[in-house]
Amino acid sequence: EAQVTQNPRYLITVTGKKLTVTCSQNMNHEYMSWYRQDPGLGLRQIYYSMNVEVTDKGDVPEGYKVSRKEKRNFPLILESPSPNQTSLYFCASSRISPGYEQYFGPGTRLTVT
Amino acid sequence: AQKITQTQPGMFVQEKEAVTLDCTYDTSDQSYGLFWYKQPSSGEMIFLIYQGSYDEQNATEGRYSLNFQKARKSANLVISASQLGDSAMYFCAMRYYRDDKIIFGKGTRLHILP
Repeated sequence: EAQVTQNPRYLITVTGKKLTVTCSQNMNHEYMSWYRQDPGLGLRQIYYSMNVEVTDKGDVPEGYKVSRKEKRNFPLILESPSPNQTSLYFCASSRISPGYEQYFGPGTRLTVT
Repeated sequence: AQKITQTQPGMFVQEKEAVTLDCTYDTSDQSYGLFWYKQPSSGEMIFLIYQGSYDEQNATEGRYSLNFQKARKSANLVISASQLGDSAMYFCAMRYYRDDKIIFGKGTRLHILP
């Protein structure tokens, strides 16, 4: 089954404790992206990647890191989480051509206290 | 700044009626793609329809159609014969061909009334 998986689905952590949210897709997609969803703000792109070792900033990259060492994986790293990073996070993937839709993971609900 | 505006935070529509969800965008780019996604209360994101900026025909996918007016920079989603299962949050999104960034609108919450 074609899918994007994210782990963990739920995470409660404390300020400053480094964490990683994993994202993996099995569709051989080149394009992968991370978003955060906050009430009243829609989805905002954090980082995206067009292929292995190629990453670019989205609209809200501050406080986040990503890496793309393998085509299927695109982890999101919060090196020193803060309460304002409490949010719902989505990973998505698509073919590299801009005309193709994104496939989204189920989301990760992160709470930073 | 490039942005997408969805002017209707919430809408209530009677079942079986047609619905139009508004989406306008602000860009000086000529090459881009427009997407609509549905997010039910269960939280997943579901792709509905795509329109390229150079497509001359409006896109259609089953009960969904996209009313694309490039000069007005609008890409409204039309749902014909609405169903109770259409109750959800709907997001308009744009992907820029220039740098492959993607931006989303803030969404419209649609409620279908029986």
